Amino acid sequence: GAGVSQSPRYKVAKRGQDVALRCDPISGHVSLFWYQQALGQGPEFLTYFQNEAQLDKSGLPSDRFFAERPEGSVSTLKIQRTQQEDSAVYLCASIRGGYNEQFFGPGTRLTVL
Amino acid sequence: SQQGEEDPQALSIQEGENATMNCSYKTSINNLQWYRQNSGRGLVHLILIRSNEREKHSGRLRVTLDTSKKSSSLLITASRAADTASYFCATDGGNNRKLIWGLGTSLAVNP
Repeated sequence: GAGVSQSPRYKVAKRGQDVALRCDPISGHVSLFWYQQALGQGPEFLTYFQNEAQLDKSGLPSDRFFAERPEGSVSTLKIQRTQQEDSAVYLCASIRGGYNEQFFGPGTRLTVL
Repeated sequence: SQQGEEDPQALSIQEGENATMNCSYKTSINNLQWYRQNSGRGLVHLILIRSNEREKHSGRLRVTLDTSKKSSSLLITASRAADTASYFCATDGGNNRKLIWGLGTSLAVNP
C-alpha cells in the first residue's frame, strides 16, 4: 500500500473490555513501532519489532498490553481489561531498513468509558 | 517518559512571518528529527539532523543542532496558513530504534 494503515480509526470500549488494534506497515518495511499519544502530549514509545521479533517492549504500561507481529508484516496491539487511563491515540510507524525516518499511520483513537 | 521539551508550547504568528521553535533533550543521540502533526495528515517526518551536523536546510525549513547544549531549533521561514500544526522533536536516545519525543509546539499561522 501507499502508506501505513491502521484500523479501526476509532474505538469506544467499556471499561473491562478487551480491544485489538491493527497496523499494516508499508510493504517491505522491516521495523515497526507502536506509540501511545495522550491528548496534548507527544507520543510515547510502547514497543518495537524487527520483522517478527519483538526487540523492545519496555514502554508497555502493564501486562494488560500485548503486541505481536507473527509473520513480520501486520501487527496487532491488544489491550486486555481496558481502563479509562488507556484512552489515547495509538500510533503505528514503520521504517525502511537502514533508515531512521519513521512513517506513521493515522492512529486509532481509543476511548474507554 | 518524555525526554524533550519544546518551547514555546504555543506560538501564533501572521502569514509570511518566520516561526522559531526550540527543543531540548537529555541523553546522547545519534540523530534528532522534527515531525509535524495535524488532524489532516497525522504525523509527518520533516527533517533529520545527525549528531555530527550543526545545521541543515530543507525548503523553508532550517534546523540547527547544538550537542553541547543538547538543544535544537526549527525555523520555518515565510510561514503559510497550511503550516498550522503541532511540531515535535524526537531523538533516538543513541540506540537508533525507538524515538523519544518532546511535548510539542502548537503553531498557529493566521491568514
